[in-house]
Amino acid sequence: RKEVEQDPGPFNVPEGATVAFNCTYSNSASQSFFWYRQDCRKEPKLLMSVYSSGNEDGRFTAQLNRASQYISLLIRDSKLSDSATYLCVVMVTALIFGKGTTLSVSS
Amino acid sequence: GAVVSQHPSWVICKSGTSVKIECRSLDFQATTMFWYRQFPKQSLMLMATSNEGSKATYEQGVEKDKFLINHASLTLSTLTVTSAHPEDSSFYICSARGSETYEQYFGPGTRLTVT
Repeated sequence: RKEVEQDPGPFNVPEGATVAFNCTYSNSASQSFFWYRQDCRKEPKLLMSVYSSGNEDGRFTAQLNRASQYISLLIRDSKLSDSATYLCVVMVTALIFGKGTTLSVSS
Repeated sequence: GAVVSQHPSWVICKSGTSVKIECRSLDFQATTMFWYRQFPKQSLMLMATSNEGSKATYEQGVEKDKFLINHASLTLSTLTVTSAHPEDSSFYICSARGSETYEQYFGPGTRLTVT
């Protein structure tokens, strides 16, 4: 079983749509959780950390369920500029990356 | 925010040659640096972790004699791919972390193509 598994993509949505990404992790000792965004041929950039209580940053909402080892990211009112690959990341002793889910937002 | 640079941003080399990639933290002291590799459509895979002044810790399956890592100062780590082969062609990304935070800051990556 992979350490971090994400929804298979790609997700193709129109502008304004709401889209949700899911992620599960296998190591119960994981300490911290993140969503990163990676544009084509670029380095990953931190989108947001994920907390057990759930957290929101503008149009982005992240949730964590430690009991089921599940993380989610919700993007509301999608913009063209949201098109990217979204990486679910957990930290054990180092960052462990999921394979990523590609989102394509079209007009 | 913290800035990490990598040099070169891309390199093409012939099979059998060695390539050195530099990773620098520009505005903070990086006590720990990480080296990742990413093949097309794959996730970033951690290759090794290095603490300043210590030997790097390599992940399983990564040959330490092939991927030489040096972290001699708090602002510079280097990765040398020795005797490169076409299968080493990949996107190599470093990240750096200071002593005060768990957050890692990523460099822009180096695209290596071995012909």
